[in-house]
Amino acid sequence: SQQGEEDPQALSIQEGENATMNCSYKTSINNLQWYRQNSGRGLVHLILIRSNEREKHSGRLRVTLDTSKKSSSLLITASRAADTASYFCATDGATGANSKLTFGKGITLSVRP
Amino acid sequence: DAGVIQSPRHEVTEMGQEVTLRCKPISGHNSLFWYRQTMMRGLELLIYFNNNVPIDDSGMPEDRFSAKMPNASFSTLKIQPSEPRDSAVYFCASSFQGISWTEAFFGQGTRLTVV
Repeated sequence: SQQGEEDPQALSIQEGENATMNCSYKTSINNLQWYRQNSGRGLVHLILIRSNEREKHSGRLRVTLDTSKKSSSLLITASRAADTASYFCATDGATGANSKLTFGKGITLSVRP
Repeated sequence: DAGVIQSPRHEVTEMGQEVTLRCKPISGHNSLFWYRQTMMRGLELLIYFNNNVPIDDSGMPEDRFSAKMPNASFSTLKIQPSEPRDSAVYFCASSFQGISWTEAFFGQGTRLTVV
């Protein structure tokens, strides 16, 4: 399966600290995406990184992609209590136009005020 | 655009009853996904459509589940008969697939409880 797998499963940090979350996948991909889910809500797209990119920034978010290791990391700098949520990586396979978008099980991030 | 719209937001039904979940994707998107989320199994892809055609339904649990997309602006996920183990939050998402996927937009989900 090409499904992404995040680690750690849960992360608890103090407000102001940086949070690093990792995602590994198994097969070649076109791109990798990170999503956020607040409790009881749908997933919201954060950032997309293409397979030919190595790093991407968006505000306090920094995503890296290492296709040789089939892994990605999401860094949230200067975390805030409002960043408390679950974070998911999603991958789409590079095996044709009809590859599907699949998600990992997610990482629960708790930011303590 | 109002985003992906799902209905109902909450559904409580008795075991054995038929349940129909509805989704209106974002206009212009050519792909639609149905996901199920539980604490135990996380976010599972049930089925996805491309240009209204079911492409991959390998995640559909069993014959009790069926999904249709009669046109580009509407999809249904039906469970008949429903069982308590079907209790979960069901999400619909839409996206545009060209050479690769763009971001997926999720609805707010339908929380299904089967008693």
